Amino acid sequence: GEDVEQSLFLSVREGDSSVINCTYTDSSSTYLYWYKQEPGAGLQLLTYIFSNMDMKQDQRLTVLLNKKDKHLSLRIADTQTGDSAIYFCAEKGEQAGTALIFGKGTTLSVSS
Amino acid sequence: GAGVSQTPSNKVTEKGKYVELRCDPISGHTALYWYRQSLGQGPEFLIYFQGTGAADDSGLPNDRFFAVRPEGSVSTLKIQRTERGDSAVYLCASSLGGPRYDNEQFFGPGTRLTVL
Repeated sequence: GEDVEQSLFLSVREGDSSVINCTYTDSSSTYLYWYKQEPGAGLQLLTYIFSNMDMKQDQRLTVLLNKKDKHLSLRIADTQTGDSAIYFCAEKGEQAGTALIFGKGTTLSVSS
Repeated sequence: GAGVSQTPSNKVTEKGKYVELRCDPISGHTALYWYRQSLGQGPEFLIYFQGTGAADDSGLPNDRFFAVRPEGSVSTLKIQRTERGDSAVYLCASSLGGPRYDNEQFFGPGTRLTVL
């Protein structure tokens, strides 16, 4: 079945880079996402990558996709205390109306 | 409105009661999704609407759960005879819909349901 796995916790110091990793099982996944969830808030779409790409950069965020190994990562450069949150990896098929399949989330803790 | 809104933000009810949770999607978004997020878990799909019709309700856990979207905009998730295991955050998401634009789903803040 479909499954998305993430490590549960990551702790970094302010100014360092953070790398959050994710593996997925569905080879038909077309879109791969990173969402951010802060306490008491909804899910914020950070970025997503189409499966025919291997890298996408957006300001401090870099997404790397290894489709062969079904491995996705999110790198946050110059991590700030405001980046502390839960980060969810998710996958989705190409067809309209297919739901997002989420991992359990990685809690990122940034210390000053 | 600027984003997806959900009401109420918090709902506390007693076991066996009926509850309704409301979602207002982004204006113009034809696709609407309901997800449920239990503590320490990622969101799990419940139901998908394209326009007024439920195109996929395969995620609804049992027949106590039902959702409607009568005019293709606001949606209501209805839970009958609530159980303690229904306690979770219920999230709504919307997207423009269609094959080219369904890839971006925007989430509301959620309704936290607590069943005592």
